Amino acid sequence: GDSVTQMEGPVTLSEEAFLTINCTYTATGYPSLFWYVQYPGEGLQLLLKATKADDKGSNKGFEATYRKETTSFHLEKGSVQVSDSAVYFCALSTIEGNQFYFGTGTSLTVIP
Amino acid sequence: SAVISQKPSRDICQRGTSLTIQCQVDSQVTMMFWYRQQPGQSLTLIATANQGSEATYESGFVIDKFPISRPNLTFSTLTVSNMSPEDSSIYLCSVASAYEQYFGPGTRLTVT
Repeated sequence: GDSVTQMEGPVTLSEEAFLTINCTYTATGYPSLFWYVQYPGEGLQLLLKATKADDKGSNKGFEATYRKETTSFHLEKGSVQVSDSAVYFCALSTIEGNQFYFGTGTSLTVIP
Repeated sequence: SAVISQKPSRDICQRGTSLTIQCQVDSQVTMMFWYRQQPGQSLTLIATANQGSEATYESGFVIDKFPISRPNLTFSTLTVSNMSPEDSSIYLCSVASAYEQYFGPGTRLTVT
């Protein structure tokens, strides 16, 4: 069945460091891919998305590219800030859009 | 996009009691979803609620424990019945729109 495998955390980085959180997926067909972010004490917010192969989603300095050949959607940011400290979830949705599969989440802490 | 509100935002309840969580959306949507997020874990889908029909429950969740109402296209409730400390979680409401899911802020439940 469809699934998402996400890099385990927690991840601790110094401010201005480069961030990569790995995400790979298994799916039949052509899913849409997402990164959600959950700040402490809050619900999930959509960070970025990509709906087809080679699409790049970007938002708030974060980027992820939909790689069909490697079934990956790794999240990257060139220079993290303390305010980026949160839990990040990779997710996919089926073509129908009503079945969502979430990764286990990766906790990121950025220290000054 | 959709804006979702939930009530209450948090509650502390005694074991054996029940709590009803409300979810309000600012637009009409066909499908609404209820998730549980246990401490430090990813999201687990409890059920899918369509207006005008019975909710569809995922494996491990039953209607007697988590009854759901969906009286119209903008509102749903989830009741956590006969609570035990194992029910302490964040409960999240979400809606699907154009292959994305939008989440409410969550209800943080602690059962003592």
